[in-house]
Amino acid sequence: GDSVTQTEGQVTVSESKSLIINCTYSTTSIAYPNLFWYVRYPGEGLQLLLKVITAGQKGSSRGFEATYNKETTSFHLQKASVQESDSAVYYCALVPPPNYNVLYFGSGTKLTVEP
Amino acid sequence: GPKVLQIPSHQIIDMGQMVTLNCDPVSNHLYFYWYKQILGQQMEFLVNFYNGKVMEKSKLFKDQFSVERPDGSYFTLKIQPTALEDSAVYFCASSWDWGGAEQYFGPGTRLTVL
Repeated sequence: GDSVTQTEGQVTVSESKSLIINCTYSTTSIAYPNLFWYVRYPGEGLQLLLKVITAGQKGSSRGFEATYNKETTSFHLQKASVQESDSAVYYCALVPPPNYNVLYFGSGTKLTVEP
Repeated sequence: GPKVLQIPSHQIIDMGQMVTLNCDPVSNHLYFYWYKQILGQQMEFLVNFYNGKVMEKSKLFKDQFSVERPDGSYFTLKIQPTALEDSAVYFCASSWDWGGAEQYFGPGTRLTVL
């Protein structure tokens, strides 16, 4: 079936340092899924951070970026310089073809940015 | 941005009772979803809904579960009767279109079944 794997449950980074949160995906479909990063800030609902629907393309938002790599089936989230306000839980997700309606989520990575 | 509201934020009930979780979707959205997250596990799809009908459901959407949106009011998830394994956080989402449109999520309802 379709699944998403995030290997780090928690990550702690000092402010202004770089960040990478790993995400790999698996799909049984011949066609490519759409890939997403969602974020949940403390006390808030899940919100879309960025989305990429074409293999090989890069998505970016709020200084974060992720590249859809179909060879390694990865969609790692990166940021060059994190801020305290980036502290949140980040979820990698996919919607598989043909309907592209059902989100499959990773287990989430809690990011803590220390001052 | 657009907000999805969920009422209540936390519900505690005894096993075997009925519970209704309420979702107030984004006002112009037509497609609705429920996801379930057991503590420490991944968020998983339960069901999606459009025009008064269930479009897709997962194996987690047991016979005791039902969804409806009467007269364009709240989109509800009803569990009757509840079981201990129904304890989880339930997230509602809505989208304006099908097939890859962004889903907007509510903050979740934490259901505790005793």
